[in-house]
Amino acid sequence: SQTIHQWPATLVQPVGSPLSLECTVEGTSNPNLYWYRQAAGRGLQLLFYSVGIGQISSEVPQNLSASRPQDRQFILSSKKLLLSDSGFYLCAWRRGGNEQFFGPGTRLTVL
Amino acid sequence: GQQVMQIPQYQHVQEGEDFTTYCNSSTTLSNIQWYKQRPGGHPVFLIQLVKSGEVKKQKRLTFQFGEAKKNSSLHITATQTTDVGTYFCASSGAGSYQLTFGKGTKLSVIP
Repeated sequence: SQTIHQWPATLVQPVGSPLSLECTVEGTSNPNLYWYRQAAGRGLQLLFYSVGIGQISSEVPQNLSASRPQDRQFILSSKKLLLSDSGFYLCAWRRGGNEQFFGPGTRLTVL
Repeated sequence: GQQVMQIPQYQHVQEGEDFTTYCNSSTTLSNIQWYKQRPGGHPVFLIQLVKSGEVKKQKRLTFQFGEAKKNSSLHITATQTTDVGTYFCASSGAGSYQLTFGKGTKLSVIP
């Protein structure tokens, strides 16, 4: 069966510090991968998606970036965090159908 | 992308009462998906509807897709405290890799 991992689970970072969040998927190959952000009590905002290694599409221009160095690894990064980057970051994967399966998420607080 | 509007934003019900959330679009949808996010958790895929007028049931949950494929509803009969959470509808365009999520309906169940 397929499993999606995210780490860390929680993170508190100062403004201006860098960020690296990792997502890995097990039990499938060549998945479509997605990064979403969810502000407190709000909906899901798609940040990036990837259909293959090295292929990244950005939905929202901001100080975040994403990379896919391996087939089942998706990384979300920032060089300098802003207060507005606080939120719940969710990684998801999609197989042949339309449904997406989410990881446990990373709660980021920028102080 | 396809826009989906979801109402209500919040719903408080007494345990045992029914609950319905609605999802509407100004354009014809290729499909509609429903997700549930428990407090502190991540969204979990519930179901996908693709056919005009389709109705699917999962125990006390009934999902409908409108005849014009522009609206959908999720109805829960006799709510229980385990139904607490936020319910999201989502849709992807034909051949699209992306899902557009509604803003969600947050359900509270008063025991």
